[in-house]
Amino acid sequence: SQTIHQWPATLVQPVGSPLSLECTVEGTSNPNLYWYRQAAGRGLQLLFYSVGIGQISSEVPQNLSASRPQDRQFILSSKKLLLSDSGFYLCAWSAHRVELTFFGQGTRLTVV
Amino acid sequence: AQSVTQLGSHVSVSEGALVLLRCNYSSSVPPYLFWYVQYPNQGLQLLLKYTTGATLVKGINGFEAEFKKSETSFHLTKPSAHMSDAAEYFCAVSFQAGTALIFGKGTTLSVSS
Repeated sequence: SQTIHQWPATLVQPVGSPLSLECTVEGTSNPNLYWYRQAAGRGLQLLFYSVGIGQISSEVPQNLSASRPQDRQFILSSKKLLLSDSGFYLCAWSAHRVELTFFGQGTRLTVV
Repeated sequence: AQSVTQLGSHVSVSEGALVLLRCNYSSSVPPYLFWYVQYPNQGLQLLLKYTTGATLVKGINGFEAEFKKSETSFHLTKPSAHMSDAAEYFCAVSFQAGTALIFGKGTTLSVSS
């Protein structure tokens, strides 16, 4: 069966520090991968999605970037965090042409 | 542009009462529709989905939703609320299988005894 792993679960980082959040999927190949951010009162906002290695689409201009160095690995990064980057970050995956999307357990990021 | 609107950011019900969470969408093509539930500091769990066929869909934990094309709605209901239903609920839509979901802003459900 397929599983998705996301870490760390919580993170407190100072303003201006770098960020790296990692997500891996097991039990499937060539998944679509997504990063969402959840901020209070704003629902889930799609940040990035990827349909294959090295293929990243950005939905919202921001202080973040994403990379997909391996088929089932998706990384969210920032060179310098802002206070506004605080939120709950969710990684997700779906199979091509299958309607279901599966979510990781999320990372609570607090920028101080 | 496609969008999802959840009416009411917070809904409060008594235990045993009907739960009704509202969701409307805008789309120029037939949508796939979903309801997810999120417990504090956790990921999202799929409650139910509509793709094609029967417009009344049943999900986990006694929830169901009805797709009404004429009203562009996909409201979530449960006949009798339980304390364990207290969580945040998200309605989502996609327009092609395997593509990114577009979410509403969520509705927090509180259940009182």
